[in-house]
Amino acid sequence: DAGVTQSPTHLIKTRGQQVTLRCSPKSGHDTVSWYQQALGQGPQFIFQYYEEEERQRGNFPDRFSGHQFPNYSSELNVNALLLGDSALYLCASSLYRERADTQYFGPGTRLTVL
Amino acid sequence: AQSVTQLDSQVPVFEEAPVELRCNYSSSVSVYLFWYVQYPNQGLQLLLKYLSGSTLVESINGFEAEFNKSQTSFHLRKPSVHISDTAEYFCAVSGFGNEKLTFGTGTRLTIIP
Repeated sequence: DAGVTQSPTHLIKTRGQQVTLRCSPKSGHDTVSWYQQALGQGPQFIFQYYEEEERQRGNFPDRFSGHQFPNYSSELNVNALLLGDSALYLCASSLYRERADTQYFGPGTRLTVL
Repeated sequence: AQSVTQLDSQVPVFEEAPVELRCNYSSSVSVYLFWYVQYPNQGLQLLLKYLSGSTLVESINGFEAEFNKSQTSFHLRKPSVHISDTAEYFCAVSGFGNEKLTFGTGTRLTIIP
């Protein structure tokens, strides 16, 4: 049973560029949440997708956008990258009807903005 | 809105000694509580969670946490730590019917041989 997978593992971009990160949820899960973890900090909620729609959003600017595909996989897009966007981006999956169920996290994508 | 405070950023402990990692939360609604562990260069793994029922919850690797509603705390304890417990530990909270997790800033547990 494959867990949550994310790609790529590492990414280096320059300021102003755009980036797309990818996530495949754990088998049987239908909900994907994205978190940003800056160095030395706890993860911060970006948004959550279910049924291909954004269901909840944290306090992040519109430069952060996402998408969920019919197979439940998801993408996180960040436009006009800033130095402060450098962080570990974590994807978590869960089952929507089990609202308090465990969120399973992937290994993350380390984004460095130069 | 919820918030989580982890009072200790770093906790050094001798091997086989007991440890307590502190977590306090703030919320205007009822909450679910979680402890996640993050090993170096890895994602987060759920250690244990409190949803309802018994206020004392246990994990399979010897950790336990007790939900204290009056003190709004969910401290994590282990009676005897091992080198393999070296990691970053995050306390998190979510509101009923709201899966968004709000995390604390983490506590780095270092085991001294």
